[in-house]
Amino acid sequence: AQSVTQLGSHVSVSEGALVLLRCNYSSSVPPYLFWYVQYPNQGLQLLLKYTSAATLVKGINGFEAEFKKSETSFHLTKPSAHMSDAAEYFCAVSDPDFGNEKLTFGTGTRLTIIP
Amino acid sequence: GAGVSQSPSNKVTEKGKDVELRCDPISGHTALYWYRQRLGQGLEFLIYFQGNSAPDKSGLPSDRFSAERTGESVSTLTIQRTQQEDSAVYLCASSLGWSRGPSPLHFGNGTRLTVT
Repeated sequence: AQSVTQLGSHVSVSEGALVLLRCNYSSSVPPYLFWYVQYPNQGLQLLLKYTSAATLVKGINGFEAEFKKSETSFHLTKPSAHMSDAAEYFCAVSDPDFGNEKLTFGTGTRLTIIP
Repeated sequence: GAGVSQSPSNKVTEKGKDVELRCDPISGHTALYWYRQRLGQGLEFLIYFQGNSAPDKSGLPSDRFSAERTGESVSTLTIQRTQQEDSAVYLCASSLGWSRGPSPLHFGNGTRLTVT
C-alpha cells in the first residue's frame, strides 16, 4: 500500500517569504503525485500533479513542486507567500495496484501567512 | 458548470440511527471516490468506484459502512447504527478515470456528520 508523509501539520511564514511544504511518499515504483489545496470554506482543488513528464512541475498561483526519486520527496514551494495562500495543503500519491486510480492523501499541512 | 454535489451538507443524528449520504458526480465522470476527514486529520480513503463496481473497498471502517453506485452516476454511502466516532466530514470526488492518464479529482463540499 502507498503512503504519504507530510512533515509539519502547521507551517507559518511571513508574507513575501519562501513557502516550503514537505511531502515524502513510499512506493515500490515511481508513482503519480499530486498537491491539492483547500481554501477556507471551499472544497479541495488540484494545485499541481507529477506524471513523469518533468520532475519540476508548475501549478496554479505560483506554486511548484519537484519530484526527487532518490529522496522519495515531492515538496511544494512558492518563492513569495501571499496572504491569499493561507489554506490547507494535501499531498497525494497514486496506487499502481489499482491502475493508479486510487489516491492516498497525507494528513495535510495548514499554512498560515503572517502579515 | 455543475460540480460534484453532496447532500445533505450537514447531518446531525443520534447514536444508533442509520444515515445515508448522497453524492452526485460530474456528468461523464466514471470514477467516484469517498473519503472521510475527521477534525484535524487528513483524508481517509473509504472506497472508490469505477463505473458501478468498487475495485477497492478496503477503506470502509467496519461492516456498518456500505456504499453503492447506480447508473454510473449517483452514489450513496450508508452508515448503520452510527457511533460517535463516525462524526466527520464525508467527502465525495469524481474524475474522468485514468484510461488516458492521471485525471484530477473534483471534490464536493462534503457532508458534515455529527453523531450525538
